[in-house]
Amino acid sequence: GAGVSQSPSNKVTEKGKDVELRCDPISGHTALYWYRQSLGQGLEFLIYFQGNSAPDKSGLPSDRFSAERTGGSVSTLTIQRTQQEDSAVYLCASSLGRQHNEQFFGPGTRLTVL
Amino acid sequence: AQSVTQPDIHITVSEGASLELRCNYSYGATPYLFWYVQSPGQGLQLLLKYFSGDTLVQGIKGFEAEFKRSQSSFNLRKPSVHWSDAAEYFCAVGVGGSYIPTFGRGTSLIVHP
Repeated sequence: GAGVSQSPSNKVTEKGKDVELRCDPISGHTALYWYRQSLGQGLEFLIYFQGNSAPDKSGLPSDRFSAERTGGSVSTLTIQRTQQEDSAVYLCASSLGRQHNEQFFGPGTRLTVL
Repeated sequence: AQSVTQPDIHITVSEGASLELRCNYSYGATPYLFWYVQSPGQGLQLLLKYFSGDTLVQGIKGFEAEFKRSQSSFNLRKPSVHWSDAAEYFCAVGVGGSYIPTFGRGTSLIVHP
């Protein structure tokens, strides 16, 4: 079956521009996570959606970052007024939503801010 | 709050040699433990997980890991490494009451022919 997909796979933007990153989770997965992966830094949690509950935004690094999940499926991560330090790989993962289930990861979006 | 440490940033082994990647966690109770592998340009894939029961866990691709409560460790092992095992390996810890696991910084495995 289809796995988690993310688009675009690569995004190059200029400092100060806004970007939108998209994640299509596995059908039926109620939980969706966004992570940021910087070189040598491991995975940094950004935001977590579970069903219709309010998202856990505790990992968002600044108010320039936001995310939404429409209809309990597709999610969009938006970064406003991008900075060079936002350059990283942004990973999306989905799971069945029960506590500590396996997470299925997408291939990521590599964001480069010039 | 829980934390996880992967002490080795890089590990280099020869093909056919045995492998052990270290993972230590900090948490007051028994955590949920995971190992993921990330091949270049790919997302992460679950290798194995420990929730309870037998402390020696078998995973995919010939990997295994052992939970040692006394050492707060969950080291990943493989008896004979293949060139295709070259990748980044992440240990992750989940705790009761939270839906968000904490990931280590990863260990990069290099395999020499």
